[in-house]
Amino acid sequence: EDKVVQSPLSLVVHEGDTVTLNCSYEVTNFRSLLWYKQEKKAPTFLFMLTSSGIEKKSGRLSSILDKKELFSILNITATQTGDSAIYLCAVEVPSGAGSYQLTFGKGTKLSVIP
Amino acid sequence: GAGVSQSPRYKVAKRGQDVALRCDPISGHVSLFWYQQALGQGPEFLTYFQNEAQLDKSGLPSDRFFAERPEGSVSTLKIQRTQQEDSAVYLCASSYLEGKNQPQHFGDGTRLSIL
Repeated sequence: EDKVVQSPLSLVVHEGDTVTLNCSYEVTNFRSLLWYKQEKKAPTFLFMLTSSGIEKKSGRLSSILDKKELFSILNITATQTGDSAIYLCAVEVPSGAGSYQLTFGKGTKLSVIP
Repeated sequence: GAGVSQSPRYKVAKRGQDVALRCDPISGHVSLFWYQQALGQGPEFLTYFQNEAQLDKSGLPSDRFFAERPEGSVSTLKIQRTQQEDSAVYLCASSYLEGKNQPQHFGDGTRLSIL
């Protein structure tokens, strides 16, 4: 059974701290790994990673994938209160009908306090 | 519109009633997905459409769940004879073309509460 495990499940930090969120996976046929940020509404897309060792960066957020060790990390530097959210990791895996679907972890709830 | 639009945002129904949830994907997006997100969990796949064809419904939990996308644009997820365990947020996502390194973009979801 395909599995995506995120850690920690929750995290409280002070503004300005740097955080690292972890995502490990065990899937039968990996195509890509995605990170989403979910506040009270829609999960919003952050990164899609397909190749090992290539860091993707967007402002204070960055992410990298290790396909040998089957994990990814999401880093947030100089955290702000607006970073408070649930961060979801998902792996794109084939489904039975030749299409692909996302298998999600449970998410990491990040709380940034002033 | 600019994003995936779902309606209603909230739905409360009594056990045994039928409900219909609507998803309007991003214009031009071929692929459409439905997910179910229980409290404190990540979303779980329900079904996938490519244009009007439902190519994968392996995640639908029972035959009470039915989805359609008759014209390849708007999709409706219908749940018949609702039960309390159906209470969840139902998320719709679309992408330009299935695969091809195109991320799925999500709507705000419909929060369904079954009393």
